[in-house]
Amino acid sequence: GAVVSQHPSWVICKSGTSVKIECRSLDFQATTMFWYRQFPKQSLMLMATSNEGSKATYEQGVEKDKFLINHASLTLSTLTVTSAHPEDSSFYICSAELAGGLETQYFGPGTRLLVL
Amino acid sequence: GQQVMQIPQYQHVQEGEDFTTYCNSSTTLSNIQWYKQRPGGHPVFLIQLVKSGEVKKQKRLTFQFGEAKKNSSLHITATQTTDVGTYFCAASDSGGYQKVTFGTGTKLQVIP
Repeated sequence: GAVVSQHPSWVICKSGTSVKIECRSLDFQATTMFWYRQFPKQSLMLMATSNEGSKATYEQGVEKDKFLINHASLTLSTLTVTSAHPEDSSFYICSAELAGGLETQYFGPGTRLLVL
Repeated sequence: GQQVMQIPQYQHVQEGEDFTTYCNSSTTLSNIQWYKQRPGGHPVFLIQLVKSGEVKKQKRLTFQFGEAKKNSSLHITATQTTDVGTYFCAASDSGGYQKVTFGTGTKLQVIP
């Protein structure tokens, strides 16, 4: 089946540093990838929709200069949290939509970010 | 690694009929969560099940966690058109990192 990986699984960083999270579709091509943020027992909050070869579409309230998204290929999208602060600590999940598929989303395992 | 299978992938029901989606894991789970995603929306948290054999209800929705904590189900009684959407389960394993694995979702279509 379709597999999406995320790297790293866990990251702890100091305030002010930047963190890059990778989302890869391992055995399929994904024209569209989604980045979500989740707080414990809460809904996934869509941050942005990433399309291969074009600029990401950010949801209202999400700072595009702080959360840089690059979708360089059909199998890789990256989210960079720039100048991270403690309030950015969260669980970040990506999902990938199968190209030409029936809008089925495949989720990655998530990345837990802790900013000290 | 942990695998989560969700079935069926798609389901069309007549309004008023019942609907069930199943989530099965290859490993024992710490907990399982259910989400609903409306067309064009994002997955909204519905509930979390933690205990073996747990059953929880939310109006017409009944959530069940298997005795072995390897499977779960979501049952909707007398579906309505507002139930349309994709239902995802998300399973957390018992490991220290609490890795979350989402099922592929069940897309529900309700025919009025």
